[in-house]
Amino acid sequence: AQTVTQSQPEMSVQEAETVTLSCTYDTSESDYYLFWYKQPPSRQMILVIRQEAYKQQNATENRFSVNFQKAAKSFSLKISDSQLGDAAMYFCAYRSFRGQNFVFGPGTRLSVLP
Amino acid sequence: DADVTQTPRNRITKTGKRIMLECSQTKGHDRMYWYRQDPGLGLQLIYYSFDVKDINKGEISDGYSVSRQAQAKFSLSLESAIPNQTALYFCATSGSRGRDNNEQFFGPGTRLTVL
Repeated sequence: AQTVTQSQPEMSVQEAETVTLSCTYDTSESDYYLFWYKQPPSRQMILVIRQEAYKQQNATENRFSVNFQKAAKSFSLKISDSQLGDAAMYFCAYRSFRGQNFVFGPGTRLSVLP
Repeated sequence: DADVTQTPRNRITKTGKRIMLECSQTKGHDRMYWYRQDPGLGLQLIYYSFDVKDINKGEISDGYSVSRQAQAKFSLSLESAIPNQTALYFCATSGSRGRDNNEQFFGPGTRLTVL
């Protein structure tokens, strides 16, 4: 079974600085999708960014980018120019290409300091 | 209006009571899921359904049951609530084709407290 690990339960970053959240996963499959979801205090789960494993190019969405290392099974999220509104729980998630279900990591709580 | 709605948003109940959490969606998705979120554990899958006649257990289904009343409705029941079922519960949907196949769309969550 696939597993997703986030080794940093909590992180903090100064406003306007850059922070990287780590995620590793375990799978024997070659085709899959990876995701980062954000959960602000409102509790709503919001998709931040998605990466298809067959794409070598790292996904980017404005200030959010990923460092996808397929061989190392690593999928880190970089947030540039951090803003107070980035403070949230961040969940890394995996879905196999043929599978139907998503597997979530335990989350990293990010604090942004003014 | 939200695409995925959950009722109630918050609920406090007592041990032994039967509780139903409801989920409705207007996205037209055929796949629906129920998760629970506990601190430090992320989201754990309780049940999922790929169409009205398809119900599957997730990793933590004991103590829970579900009903898929229609494509747009998926309810989660706790037949006899116990305190360790206190958690945040999420409903999610996913499409079966196209880009929606590769993303889950979440409801706002239900905070359940069992005393």
